[in-house]
Amino acid sequence: RKEVEQDPGPFNVPEGATVAFNCTYSNSASQSFFWYRQDCRKEPKLLMSVYSSGNEDGRFTAQLNRASQYISLLIRDSKLSDSATYLCVVTPRGGGTSYGKLTFGQGTILTVHP
Amino acid sequence: DAGVIQSPRHEVTEMGQEVTLRCKPISGHDYLFWYRQTMMRGLELLIYFNNNVPIDDSGMPEDRFSAKMPNASFSTLKIQPSEPRDSAVYFCASSPRLAGTDTQYFGPGTRLTVL
Repeated sequence: RKEVEQDPGPFNVPEGATVAFNCTYSNSASQSFFWYRQDCRKEPKLLMSVYSSGNEDGRFTAQLNRASQYISLLIRDSKLSDSATYLCVVTPRGGGTSYGKLTFGQGTILTVHP
Repeated sequence: DAGVIQSPRHEVTEMGQEVTLRCKPISGHDYLFWYRQTMMRGLELLIYFNNNVPIDDSGMPEDRFSAKMPNASFSTLKIQPSEPRDSAVYFCASSPRLAGTDTQYFGPGTRLTVL
């Protein structure tokens, strides 16, 4: 089983739609959680961190369920510019050699069309 | 800030040749990471450094791969000899040592093709 699993999609949605991505992780000791975004043939960039209480950044909402080892990302009012691959990322508990060891999911492809 | 700089951006070489990828991290960042991305395996961490010292190289696929960081502003990833299965995009990333965050800043990547 992969450490981080995502539905690869692709998700094809019209502008204005709401779309949700899910991600599960296998290591219950995982400490930190993130969503990164990667545009075609570009580098990954941090989209948002995911906090236990859930957090929102404009049209984006991230949720974490530690009991189910599940992370989600909700995008409301989709824009054409949201088209990208969304990567679910987890890290182990901090300290020592585990610092910064991001484990990436395979990514979920989103295409927003007019 | 110029961000993480990688060179070359594209490299095409023949099997058996030596390949050297270069990275300049963001000034002041204590951590430097090398990743490889392929369609089949996604994004994988190869090795990372803290203050120029290699901390974890468990992701390095085999002895043909080596990485160095001679100073805080420069790192290399070398493949010798290269093989077609090494074809991938290689990303370098750096991170400041800030408590409570693991945010990493990626360079634009080097697209390697081994024929």
